[in-house]
Amino acid sequence: GDSVTQMEGPVTLSEEAFLTINCTYTATGYPSLFWYVQYPGEGLQLLLKATKADDKGSNKGFEATYRKETTSFHLEKGSVQVSDSAVYFCALKAGGGNKLTFGTGTQLKVEL
Amino acid sequence: DSGVTQTPKHLITATGQRVTLRCSPRSGDLSVYWYQQSLDQGLQFLIHYYNGEERAKGNILERFSAQQFPDLHSELNLSSLELGDSALYFCASSTRGRDRVDEQYFGPGTRLTVT
Repeated sequence: GDSVTQMEGPVTLSEEAFLTINCTYTATGYPSLFWYVQYPGEGLQLLLKATKADDKGSNKGFEATYRKETTSFHLEKGSVQVSDSAVYFCALKAGGGNKLTFGTGTQLKVEL
Repeated sequence: DSGVTQTPKHLITATGQRVTLRCSPRSGDLSVYWYQQSLDQGLQFLIHYYNGEERAKGNILERFSAQQFPDLHSELNLSSLELGDSALYFCASSTRGRDRVDEQYFGPGTRLTVT
């Protein structure tokens, strides 16, 4: 079945450091890929998405490129801020259905 | 604020009881999804409704049921509650983007604690 694998957290970075959170997937066909962010005590917010190979999703300084050859969708940001501290979820939507399959989430802590 | 509302925010109840969680989708969204977030299982899809009809079922227990009403709000009913049902329950609604891919917007969740 469909699955998403994310790097284990927590990831702790200093402010202005470069961020990479790895995400790989297994799915039939050509899934759409998403990154969601969950701030403490809140619901999930859609951060960015990509719907076909080589698409780059971007939002708020975050980027991720859909790499079909490596079945990956790694999240990157050039300079993180303390306000980016949250849990980040990689997700996919595959086949004809609309359900999202999520990874386990990666907690990011950014310190001054 | 995603525009998806969920009530109540917190719920504490005893084993064996039954509870109802409520969700109102974003204005204009016809699809409602329910997800469960727990420490051991992560985020799991439970069920999807579109305009009042069930469209897909995921890892939803037989003790759980859902429905979507004509005004498009949805309710998730959990019965014969067990300690292991303690979790965050999220509702999401979706709209089709310009690229024709559904984007799901999540509510703030209902935290259920079963004691």
